[in-house]
Amino acid sequence: NAGVMQNPRHLVRRRGQEARLRCSPMKGHSHVYWYRQLPEEGLKFMVYLQKENIIDESGMPKERFSAEFPKEGPSILRIQQVVRGDSAAYFCASSEPLGTGGRYEQYFGPGTRLTVT
Amino acid sequence: EDKVVQSPLSLVVHEGDTVTLNCSYEVTNFRSLLWYKQEKKAPTFLFMLTSSGIEKKSGRLSSILDKKELFSILNITATQTGDSAIYLCASAGGTSYGKLTFGQGTILTVHP
Repeated sequence: NAGVMQNPRHLVRRRGQEARLRCSPMKGHSHVYWYRQLPEEGLKFMVYLQKENIIDESGMPKERFSAEFPKEGPSILRIQQVVRGDSAAYFCASSEPLGTGGRYEQYFGPGTRLTVT
Repeated sequence: EDKVVQSPLSLVVHEGDTVTLNCSYEVTNFRSLLWYKQEKKAPTFLFMLTSSGIEKKSGRLSSILDKKELFSILNITATQTGDSAIYLCASAGGTSYGKLTFGQGTILTVHP
């Protein structure tokens, strides 16, 4: 059973370019979460999505950041016009639907390390 | 604002020692408390706790939750060098229940 998949594992972008990070959840999981880990800081929640729907985006920066989880294909975290402060590790997690009585712990992918030069 | 605080921030022990890691939380609409182990890659799930006073155990690791005192501990007995990692505590809650609020982590180093 494949775990959460993220790609690319490492991404280098120049200031002003766009970064697109992809996440495929574990088989059977329909909920996806994105977290950011800045250097020397803890993991911070960004957004929680289910297929074609954003459930909670309270941790997303107001500008330049967007996320989607289409009916088909992986979840995408998109950062437009990247700046040096966006350099971080971006982790995706997935879970079964919440509130169904099933196990809903979040399982994490290996992360994408974004470096903005 | 939701808050999770872990202590100590770092800990150095020798193989065979027993360690206790602490986690306190203040989270609206609390749903569960989770522990993860993070080495150089993805956080690996260890435990999820939802009820007070019920110990969860997996090998040399165990954890318990106190919902009255808003506190959890993670115990590791007979530590090994492979236990060296960052241990993360997170609380699930908020309006969507899907949001995990993480503590800053405890860096555990186990020397041979």
